Amino acid sequence: GNSVTQMEGPVTLSEEAFLTINCTYTATGYPSLFWYVQYPGEGLQLLLKATKADDKGSNKGFEATYRKETTSFHLEKGSVQVSDSAVYFCALSESTGNQFYFGTGTSLTVIP
Amino acid sequence: KAGVTQTPRYLIKTRGQQVTLSCSPISGHRSVSWYQQTPGQGLQFLFEYFSETQRNKGNFPGRFSGRQFSNSRSEMNVSTLELGDSALYLCASSRPSGGARYNEQFFGPGTRLTVL
Repeated sequence: GNSVTQMEGPVTLSEEAFLTINCTYTATGYPSLFWYVQYPGEGLQLLLKATKADDKGSNKGFEATYRKETTSFHLEKGSVQVSDSAVYFCALSESTGNQFYFGTGTSLTVIP
Repeated sequence: KAGVTQTPRYLIKTRGQQVTLSCSPISGHRSVSWYQQTPGQGLQFLFEYFSETQRNKGNFPGRFSGRQFSNSRSEMNVSTLELGDSALYLCASSRPSGGARYNEQFFGPGTRLTVL
């Protein structure tokens, strides 16, 4: 079946530190991969996506590369800001249908 | 363009009661999905509706049900509430495009349900 595993948090970093949040997936077909972000009191927002192997998604300084050989989609940012404090979710969508599978989320706190 | 709206935002119920949550998708979006978010289980898929038909269903008991109306608005109902049903219930809408490999989901702010 389909599933997503992401590193457990919480993660606390100082401003301008490097961020990596690991995400691996299991899928029966050729999924599309996503990172969503959830700020306090809000719903999820799409951060970036990749629809095929070796694609790199990027947005707001965040990047993730779709690695089929390692079934991974790790999220990275070179220099985090306090405003990046949020919960980050890795997700996949099957190549057919509209069902998404989410990881458990990783809480990130960036301190000044 | 208005986003996905969910009502009510907060709800407190007692065990054994039933509850109905509402979701209004983005105008033009015909697919609505529901998720349950809890600290222990993360985001779990409940079901998806498209054109008033349930198209996908997650692994939840029959106490959880939903429906979609002709204007794409959706409701979900939970009967015989249990303490473990306390969660944030998120609704997401998307506009399926023919041939697209995926359909971006736009999430509402959620309904926080507390069961006492």
